[in-house]
Amino acid sequence: QVQLQESGPGLVKPSETLSLTCSVSDYSISTGYYWGWIRQPPGKGLEWIGSIYHGGNTYYNPSLKSRVTVSVDTSKNQFSLKLTSVTAADTALYFCARIIAVANLKGFDVWGRGTLVTVSS
Amino acid sequence: QTVVTQEPSFSVSPGGTVTLTCGLSSGSVSTTSYPSWYQQTPGQAPRTLIYSTSSRSSGVPDRFSGSILGNKAALTITGAQADDESDYYCVIYMGNGIWVFGGGTKLTVL
Repeated sequence: QVQLQESGPGLVKPSETLSLTCSVSDYSISTGYYWGWIRQPPGKGLEWIGSIYHGGNTYYNPSLKSRVTVSVDTSKNQFSLKLTSVTAADTALYFCARIIAVANLKGFDVWGRGTLVTVSS
Repeated sequence: QTVVTQEPSFSVSPGGTVTLTCGLSSGSVSTTSYPSWYQQTPGQAPRTLIYSTSSRSSGVPDRFSGSILGNKAALTITGAQADDESDYYCVIYMGNGIWVFGGGTKLTVL
């Protein structure tokens, strides 16, 4: 059963870069699927941040595009998120997820447990 | 930017049936929007319920079903149980790799 686990600093200073990694177990990223990041500010709803295909094609939320980079490291079976110039509004629970996007089947099918990132000095 | 709309809250009696909807601020939701549905309790990861309008995720009981009703996607829960009390999110595929989540519906079972 594929499992995803987020990791990274829980506290980031304003104006700095948030960096998170999602480690994938029991499935090789290089086999296929898309891989994505979603966040949830405290008490609010889910927001898709960006996705990457195992081959490297990336897709970003237009509202975050100028600050987001998603990358994949198939040798480590991980994918990563970088969000630059963070503010308090970027404080959120960050999830990674596997995304099905084949033929007529699309959706987020496996989720990590999430990691809380707080932006504060 | 297109907004995905959901009822902020809904309530259902135990054993009852409830239908939550997912629409667009501009336009209609169709099967080619590939609407999917997720259940979440606070602080936990979302649980995938439905992909691509009506395909049930593995292990999800058949009392959860998805459909298109008019110009919206719909999630119907039949025989509501106490542990169905959660937040429910839909997400719409906008094309070109872009996804937009709805604001979520808080379902109360009472």
